[in-house]
Amino acid sequence: AQSVSQHNHHVILSEAASLELGCNYSYGGTVNLFWYVQYPGQHLQLLLKYFSGDPLVKGIKGFEAEFIKSKFSFNLRKPSVQWSDTAEYFCAVAILTGGGNKLTFGTGTQLKVEL
Amino acid sequence: ETGVTQSPTHLIKTRGQQVTLRCSSQSGHNTVSWYQQALGQGPQFIFQYYREEENGRGNFPPRFSGLQFPNYSSELNVNALELDDSALYLCASSPQDSPYEQFFGPGTRLTVL
Repeated sequence: AQSVSQHNHHVILSEAASLELGCNYSYGGTVNLFWYVQYPGQHLQLLLKYFSGDPLVKGIKGFEAEFIKSKFSFNLRKPSVQWSDTAEYFCAVAILTGGGNKLTFGTGTQLKVEL
Repeated sequence: ETGVTQSPTHLIKTRGQQVTLRCSSQSGHNTVSWYQQALGQGPQFIFQYYREEENGRGNFPPRFSGLQFPNYSSELNVNALELDDSALYLCASSPQDSPYEQFFGPGTRLTVL
């Protein structure tokens, strides 16, 4: 069964610091990849997605992620974080064949940005 | 455009009881998925409904069941509630042409005592 690993469970950064959150998955076939964000008191929102093509994808609010197939990774990055980026971030994977249209999520990374 | 809505927001039940959670999909979306999110964990896939039929199921026992209605809204039913069923239950809808692109509702917080 596929799994998704997010290595950092809690990250604390100062404003303007750069961010990189790791995500690795364990499936060798074709996948769609997602990052979702959950701001305090709000529901899960799609931050960005990779379906095919350019492995560097850009999402909302200045976030980007790079798909490295050889490393089974889809790390999330932002050059300069803001206090408003404080949230929980989830990486998710969909297997395109035999996966039943489900998303498999990582356990999440809680990001706190301090002023 | 109305997003995914869920009801109720919060629910408290006791062990052995049954519960029904409801979800209205986003306008234009015909696929609904349900997830369980335990505290400190990522969402786990329960099942998905498309055209009123179950279209994939995760590793959940049969006491978790669902329905989808002609207007694409959906229900999640859980029988014989156990303490470990306490969690946030999330509904997500997706359009027919992009079933993996799922849009989530706010969830129903279920507490089983």
